[in-house]
Amino acid sequence: GAVVSQHPSWVICKSGTSVKIECRSLDFQATTMFWYRQFPKQSLMLMATSNEGSKATYEQGVEKDKFLINHASLTLSTLTVTSAHPEDSSFYICSARPGGPESSYNSPLHFGNGTRLTVT
Amino acid sequence: KQEVTQIPAALSVPEGENLVLNCSFTDSAIYNLQWFRQDPGKGLTSLLLIQSSQREQTSGRLNASLDKSSGRSTLYIAASQPGDSATYLCALSTGTASKLTFGTGTRLQVTL
Repeated sequence: GAVVSQHPSWVICKSGTSVKIECRSLDFQATTMFWYRQFPKQSLMLMATSNEGSKATYEQGVEKDKFLINHASLTLSTLTVTSAHPEDSSFYICSARPGGPESSYNSPLHFGNGTRLTVT
Repeated sequence: KQEVTQIPAALSVPEGENLVLNCSFTDSAIYNLQWFRQDPGKGLTSLLLIQSSQREQTSGRLNASLDKSSGRSTLYIAASQPGDSATYLCALSTGTASKLTFGTGTRLQVTL
């Protein structure tokens, strides 16, 4: 079945540094990937939609200059948290659906295992 | 704006019991509804997807129903097992780009 891999699974960084999280679709191509954030005991909130070869679309309230998204190929999207602060500590999860823009909305989204970011 | 609520927030049942998890939503203009399972500190595993034109889907001991007119979906788990312990999330796909709106989740614990 479709597999989405995220790396790293956890990272601890100092305040002010930048962290890059990778999301790969291992056995399928995805023109669109999604980045979510989950705070403790809360549900997932969509941060941005990553589009291969074009700019990401950010949800309201998400700073595009702080959360840089690059979708350089059909199997890889990266999220870089720039100048991280303790309030950025969270669980970040990516998801993807096999296929291109024409792929059916009625096929399941597949999620990575998430990245636990802790900023000290 | 779509709002998705799950009740109960937490549930503890003894092994072997059948149980029902509830998901309610405010906007019935959906493409589909998906149920996920999330283990602590892990990502999401897709359990069932119900298209807007469907009323239910079944997979093994799981059965999910969808009633768009009332804005409700249920996930029925038969003969629960300790391995079913996890957080269960419903999510709806509405609008463009297949963005999902997630519910608040139900934390399930199945005890021996």
